[in-house]
Amino acid sequence: KQEVTQIPAALSVPEGENLVLNCSFTDSAIYNLQWFRQDPGKGLTSLLLIQSSQREQTSGRLNASLDKSSGRSTLYIAASQPGDSATYLCAVYTDKLIFGTGTRLQVFP
Amino acid sequence: DTGVSQNPRHKITKRGQNVTFRCDPISEHNRLYWYRQTLGQGPEFLTYFQNEAQLEKSRLLSDRFSAERPKGSFSTLEIQRTEQGDSAMYLCASSSTGQGDNQPQHFGDGTRLSIL
Repeated sequence: KQEVTQIPAALSVPEGENLVLNCSFTDSAIYNLQWFRQDPGKGLTSLLLIQSSQREQTSGRLNASLDKSSGRSTLYIAASQPGDSATYLCAVYTDKLIFGTGTRLQVFP
Repeated sequence: DTGVSQNPRHKITKRGQNVTFRCDPISEHNRLYWYRQTLGQGPEFLTYFQNEAQLEKSRLLSDRFSAERPKGSFSTLEIQRTEQGDSAMYLCASSSTGQGDNQPQHFGDGTRLSIL
């Protein structure tokens, strides 16, 4: 059974820091891995999708890597801003999305 | 691109009542998914449709839950005889299958259900 774990569960940092959020999964037989952002009371916004054959994807200040063999992905956020404060979820896609419990990020001025 | 739309945004009802939620996917997407999210947890898969066919249902989807997508466009999720444990955010997502299974899912803002 596929299980997805995210650490840390919560993170509070001053503005400007570079951050690394971690995601691990137990079964490497995945089609892709997706990182989402969720603001309080809102739905999910897709940030990055990495195909199983890819190693990383970049969008602006975000970079996500995937090591399928070790069952790990990281989301790197450069030069964090208060507007980055949200919960970040990773999910692996087999025939459905299986989510981790998220990392709650707070960036203070 | 109008995105995935869910209605209502919030629903408060008494235990034992029936509730129905609606999801309008992105128009060209043929796959539609329902998830449930409780506080502090990631979303959990409930069911999904490809066009009008319901292809998979999670064991989380008890007999009190039913989902339909009659014309392969919008979908409804009905909960009968609601219970306290049904309180959650119900999220809908859609995707295309234009290039196989590796398409991102796009989520709506969800319907938050509160059972009194």
